Amino acid sequence: SQQGEEDPQALSIQEGENATMNCSYKTSINNLQWYRQNSGRGLVHLILIRSNEREKHSGRLRVTLDTSKKSSSLLITASRAADTASYFCATDALRDGGTSYGKLTFGQGTILTVHP
Amino acid sequence: DTEVTQTPKHLVMGMTNKKSLKCEQHMGHRAMYWYKQKAKKPPELMFVYSYEKLSINESVPSRFSPECPNSSLLNLHLHALQPEDSALYLCASSHSGTGFYGQYFGPGTRLTVT
Repeated sequence: SQQGEEDPQALSIQEGENATMNCSYKTSINNLQWYRQNSGRGLVHLILIRSNEREKHSGRLRVTLDTSKKSSSLLITASRAADTASYFCATDALRDGGTSYGKLTFGQGTILTVHP
Repeated sequence: DTEVTQTPKHLVMGMTNKKSLKCEQHMGHRAMYWYKQKAKKPPELMFVYSYEKLSINESVPSRFSPECPNSSLLNLHLHALQPEDSALYLCASSHSGTGFYGQYFGPGTRLTVT
């Protein structure tokens, strides 16, 4: 099963509103990453948050990570029509010995639609 | 140059054909990845090359054969595919294969098997 599960599956908002997406995962992680994908094209890396970080900002993006709850959220502020895309969280899981598997496992994604 | 290129953009092949997908990056990244993505699903990892050696094979059928001729180039050789193999095939690269870094994705090859 997928390591990351996201909710909501779909989100529809008006331009200027904030969008929040959530991601839950099951195992210990090295880091958690968020990616954007526009209509069946390649993914774009948005932000990476390490397991010892709790919050990170990049422009209009704010990511939080709660390792005790095994969850993360992505907040997009002041959304624009160009933010319409699918958003995926991806986790770099750790083996029992604490080393990275060296691969990402993606969540099911949230489809965000921003109406002009 | 922060781009990963993939060719071709679209490919239609019969079940008896042999074809190859190509991926290239010139960012000096030492890890390269192949993913398969079906419609409305997340990408699924197929293979990881780290420092030009195959480090992860996610139990992919042998009709998919990866090759990494050098640190900038990654190929995926296709033979005797099935219609269910139709998907978007994505290539990605990262600074290393340790998982510490984000991945750069190419635009993908949309494969249709007839």
